[in-house]
Amino acid sequence: GIQVEQSPPDLILQEGANSTLRCNFSDSVNNLQWFHQNPWGQLINLFYIPSGTKQNGRLSATTVATERYSLLYISSSQTTDSGVYFCAVTPDRDDKIIFGKGTRLHILP
Amino acid sequence: ETGVTQSPTHLIKTRGQQVTLRCSSQSGHNTVSWYQQALGQGPQFIFQYYREEENGRGNFPPRFSGLQFPNYSSELNVNALELDDSALYLCASSLYGLADDEQYFGPGTRLTVT
Repeated sequence: GIQVEQSPPDLILQEGANSTLRCNFSDSVNNLQWFHQNPWGQLINLFYIPSGTKQNGRLSATTVATERYSLLYISSSQTTDSGVYFCAVTPDRDDKIIFGKGTRLHILP
Repeated sequence: ETGVTQSPTHLIKTRGQQVTLRCSSQSGHNTVSWYQQALGQGPQFIFQYYREEENGRGNFPPRFSGLQFPNYSSELNVNALELDDSALYLCASSLYGLADDEQYFGPGTRLTVT
């Protein structure tokens, strides 16, 4: 089945720094989402981005479907950005959703 | 607009027992999916329901079963609980299903099996 790999697995940054999180997937996908999981377990939608580029405030994302990767950019990090970021894909011709293992982000004050 | 809600928030069960978890989908959504998230892992897809029919299933045994009701709320039932079933169970709803639409998640039910 499709493999979804996220990197880096862990990231520690000082407040104000910028970061780039990557999601690679091994096969064609119908859609791709980025989520932020807060310390209480709630998964918060960041982007629904099967292709192209989107921006929402300090966050932006780019998916290059033909090259099978997506990037999540966080600029001017704040301590509230801490948590785990997940990429999730739905493979082409399949009714399943596959999550990566996540990137755990720690923003230090 | 009401978001996705789940109940209960926490639950402790004994190995071999049965459990039912509940989910109310976001207003206007007719598709519900369930996920299991073990500690330190990403969520694992259990199954999806669309208009009261199972419509996609992950690699989970038959003792994991579900229902979707006419109001699009849903239940996840797990029989013969095992210690490894201890996890956060997440429910998500969408308007058009996994392949075509954005998923919105509830806060989860944390199940502990002793």
